Order: sequence, then structure tokens, then C-alpha cells
Amino acid sequence: GENVEQHPSTLSVQEGDSAVIKCTYSDSASNYFPWYKQELGKRPQLIIDIRSNVGEKKDQRIAVTLNKTAKHFSLHITETQPEDSAVYFCAASKGSGGANNLFFGTGTRLTVIP
Amino acid sequence: EAQVTQNPRYLITVTGKKLTVTCSQNMNHEYMSWYRQDPGLGLRQIYYSMNVEVTDKGDVPEGYKVSRKEKRNFPLILESPSPNQTSLYFCASSLGTGGPRNNEQFFGPGTRLTVL
Repeated sequence: GENVEQHPSTLSVQEGDSAVIKCTYSDSASNYFPWYKQELGKRPQLIIDIRSNVGEKKDQRIAVTLNKTAKHFSLHITETQPEDSAVYFCAASKGSGGANNLFFGTGTRLTVIP
Repeated sequence: EAQVTQNPRYLITVTGKKLTVTCSQNMNHEYMSWYRQDPGLGLRQIYYSMNVEVTDKGDVPEGYKVSRKEKRNFPLILESPSPNQTSLYFCASSLGTGGPRNNEQFFGPGTRLTVL
């Protein structure tokens, strides 16, 4: 099955700086890579996703890059704000038809220091 | 309002006492799934269902059962709970068919279970 590794497990940045979280996956058939944000005591919520036919996707201050050859993808948050503090999870799936099973990384706790 | 609901939100029980955590979605989603979340381990899938009467094991199915008799409901059953099933449980659903954003999983609010 798929194995997703995520680093770092914790990350502290100064407000305004950038944050980068990296994930690797093992199954070359995976083609859908979402990122979820989980605030303290809340449910995970999708913030951005990318499919394997795209190398980069951007949505305001967040961007995701994908390197299919190396089987890794990254989340980039620019101009971080205190409200970005949360746990972020990457995930991978084959993502087609009924194959919606998401395999999650172990999470990165991001702290943005005001 | 489109949502996934779970009940109960908090539950403290004792070893061996059967319990059911309900999950319901009102978005007509085909795909539903249960995860458990433990510190340092992320979200691990317990069971999933691609449609009514179709269920399959995820990564950590031992000690759990599910059923999918109707499209909107996907209860999680612990026949004989044990302390190692103490965890935060999330139900999730998605459209389940191909196409952009159809894979987005919407999570319920979570159920915190403690087994003594």
C-alpha cells in the first residue's frame, strides 16, 4: 500500500516568514495530493490539492509543488500569519473512480510567532 | 447546510461494552470513510465504503465493524472496545467519482472516545 512520510513534525516561524512542509510517497500510481489544515480542536479541512498532471498550484499565500519523478510534494505558505498556526497533513491517493482512499502523513504542527 | 455529522461527540466507556458511533452526511456522497487520529500517527483509515452495501477494510480495521445500509449513514461499531481504541475518530465523505474536487473529503466534527 501507499506510505506517506511528512517532515518536519514541528515548525516554528516568525510572522511574515515563509513555511515549507515536505512529503514523500511510495506508490507511483498515486495521482491526487491534497493538503489538510486542522486547527486546534477542529476537524481537518482541505486547503489545497494538486493532481499529477500539474507541477505547481497556487492559491493566494499557499502553493503546492509536485515532483512525480522523485515522488515528493511540498506545501509553501508565504507571509505567514498567526492564524496559519495549525497542524497540516499531506495525503496521497490514486484518486480516480472509487479509489478515494487517502493515505495521510503524520502531520506538521506549524506555529507562527507574532 | 451541507455537512457531515457524528454522534456522540464525546464518549467514555468501559472495556467490552459495545458501542456505535453514528455518521451521517446530507450531500448525497457515495464515498464514506472512518479514520482514527492518534498523536504522532496522523489519520489512519479504519474502513471505507464506496456505495450502499459496499464496504472494505482500511489500514487499521481490527476491532471495528461498519455498515452502509443507506447512502447517508455509515455507523462505526465497536463490538468489544478495548483501551487501545481510545482515540479521536473522524468520519468523512466525498462525491467518490472522477473529476476535479470530487475527491475532496469532508470531515465530521470528530468523536473523542475513551475506553477505560
